[in-house]
Amino acid sequence: AQSVAQPEDQVNVAEGNPLTVKCTYSVSGNPYLFWYVQYPNRGLQFLLKYITGDNLVKGSYGFEAEFNKSQTSFHLKKPSALVSDSALYFCAVRGRTTSGTYKYIFGTGTRLKVLA
Amino acid sequence: SQTIHQWPATLVQPVGSPLSLECTVEGTSNPNLYWYRQAAGRGLQLLFYSVGIGQISSEVPQNLSASRPQDRQFILSSKKLLLSDSGFYLCACGASGGPEETQYFGPGTRLLVL
Repeated sequence: AQSVAQPEDQVNVAEGNPLTVKCTYSVSGNPYLFWYVQYPNRGLQFLLKYITGDNLVKGSYGFEAEFNKSQTSFHLKKPSALVSDSALYFCAVRGRTTSGTYKYIFGTGTRLKVLA
Repeated sequence: SQTIHQWPATLVQPVGSPLSLECTVEGTSNPNLYWYRQAAGRGLQLLFYSVGIGQISSEVPQNLSASRPQDRQFILSSKKLLLSDSGFYLCACGASGGPEETQYFGPGTRLLVL
């Protein structure tokens, strides 16, 4: 069965420092991996996805993610954090519904706090 | 690009009352539509999805139902709300339905059942 783990409940980083939000996955077959961000009382915003090809995926707002097949990881990164990056981040993998169609399987989320 | 509208934004309802949440989509045709519930500001649970008008699939048994009366309209309903129905409800749409599909989310409706 497909699953996603976000091992850190919260990540604190100083403004200007690089940030990493971790995600590991378990899938059968090729992984299709996604990152979303959620600001308070808002819907999820799509950041980036990995389908195939280059292991380093660039996305919105300066974020990127590195796909590592051997470590089954898809960590989200940003070279220099901003206070405005503080939000809840979700990793997701595509899995199957009970009827065989595809669905997202979300991690439990990691709260990122960027300190000024 | 698509825009997803949800209303109301916030709703407070007594236990046992009915519920109707609406989601409409602009900027795309024949989208796949989804209802999620997010409890306690964390994990998202897929409730229903629809690949076309009148076609609804449920992921988990519960007190809720969904309908899709028009191509870009998706409604979440309940005849009698339970306390456990409280949460943040998100509507999402996608284009392809395949493994590479990106879903786009609406702003959400916060439901509090008292």
